[in-house]
Amino acid sequence: KAGVTQTPRYLIKTRGQQVTLSCSPISGHRSVSWYQQTPGQGLQFLFEYFSETQRNKGNFPGRFSGRQFSNSRSEMNVSTLELGDSALYLCASSLEADSVFFGPGTRLTVL
Amino acid sequence: QQQVKQSPQSLIVQKGGISIINCAYENTAFDYFPWYQQFPGKGPALLIAIRPDVSEKKEGRFTISFNKSAKQFSLHIMDSQPGDSATYFCAASMSGGGADGLTFGKGTHLIIQP
Repeated sequence: KAGVTQTPRYLIKTRGQQVTLSCSPISGHRSVSWYQQTPGQGLQFLFEYFSETQRNKGNFPGRFSGRQFSNSRSEMNVSTLELGDSALYLCASSLEADSVFFGPGTRLTVL
Repeated sequence: QQQVKQSPQSLIVQKGGISIINCAYENTAFDYFPWYQQFPGKGPALLIAIRPDVSEKKEGRFTISFNKSAKQFSLHIMDSQPGDSATYFCAASMSGGGADGLTFGKGTHLIIQP
């Protein structure tokens, strides 16, 4: 069974731009969550979607948003990029209430 | 507020030795405690997880010990191998990892010396 896939793997943007990241969960998984990983703050929960509905959101500004499609694929968007948004963005999927599996991440660099 | 505190930040163990990483949590509503292994350039990979109704869980060379009264849990890697060199994260969640998200420790950089 294929794992969580994320595209693109690397992105370079400039301040003020917006970016959209994509994630395809493991087949059959309906829960998709997003995390930000930085050296300073570590791994932080952004939000989680299930059946196209956001069920929970972490402590991030409204510039960070997401959505989930009927096929469980998900996208996250960051608007008005800041230098501090440079990070590894990880998508994860799960089938039941545990066993969360992560993708390889998208490395975003904001210049 | 750091809800999951992980120690040590870095650890060097000789090949064949036992690696021990500790975590402490504050939120008593947490009921699911996984450990993840991350190699450079990769996403975290689920190693092993435990719920508070058991005090220990073993899978191969990896063991989680859980102390509910002390709000602490630890990962033991037996017969540590150079291939185990990676960053390890403990995490906690209130309803499994999905809906409420995982709260992670800051990570432990483990080096196994041959």
